[in-house]
Amino acid sequence: DIQMTQSPASLSASLEEIVTITCQPSQDIGNYLSWYQQKPGKSPQLLIHSATSLADGVPSRFSGSRSGTQYSLKINRLQVEDTGIYYCLQGYSAPWTFGGGTKLELK
Amino acid sequence: QVQLKESGPGLVQPSETLSLTCTVSGFSLTSYSVSWVRQPSGKGPEWMGRMWYDGDTAYNSALKSRLSISRDTSKNQVFLKMNSLQTDDTGTYYCTRELWVTGYYFDYWGQGVMVTVSS
Repeated sequence: DIQMTQSPASLSASLEEIVTITCQPSQDIGNYLSWYQQKPGKSPQLLIHSATSLADGVPSRFSGSRSGTQYSLKINRLQVEDTGIYYCLQGYSAPWTFGGGTKLELK
Repeated sequence: QVQLKESGPGLVQPSETLSLTCTVSGFSLTSYSVSWVRQPSGKGPEWMGRMWYDGDTAYNSALKSRLSISRDTSKNQVFLKMNSLQTDDTGTYYCTRELWVTGYYFDYWGQGVMVTVSS
């Protein structure tokens, strides 16, 4: 199975700050990576698919990128509603596997 | 609009079988695949398996021996059955719509159903 190493595990940031979360797969996954946001007691919501494509209805302050084998989710100008847990998912090789999650809080 | 809704018992006895139903609306099961994903409390999600749009199935090898996914397209329902449940099977179970653009991903999720395995 492909292991997804996500970092940091937790993050505290201020309003309007730029936040970056990264995922590193244990093997090449091309652009087969998506990002999700999960609020307490809610199901995960799709933010980014295909490594860089913004999902419908997702604010443009969210963006995804890839540099070599490292994938990043960037949040520009952090807002209150962006707190939650973020997960990456590789959809390249079954079983699809998630990163361990990043808990994002406001400072 | 696209909706998925899970239903099933909230409490299952150890060694018993879990049966869940995912009822979908806003799309056809013969055009889109549906996956089951579970999440233990306080932990990350785990992909369990998939019902392909063509009726084929795929399972996480870690669960394959205990897991069965089926569907009834006339009722817009996908079913999950997992046997020999243990306490570490406790968690929230989601059904998701699965898409492929560049890689597979889940664009819609159900609200989830909490399952507790306990005697």
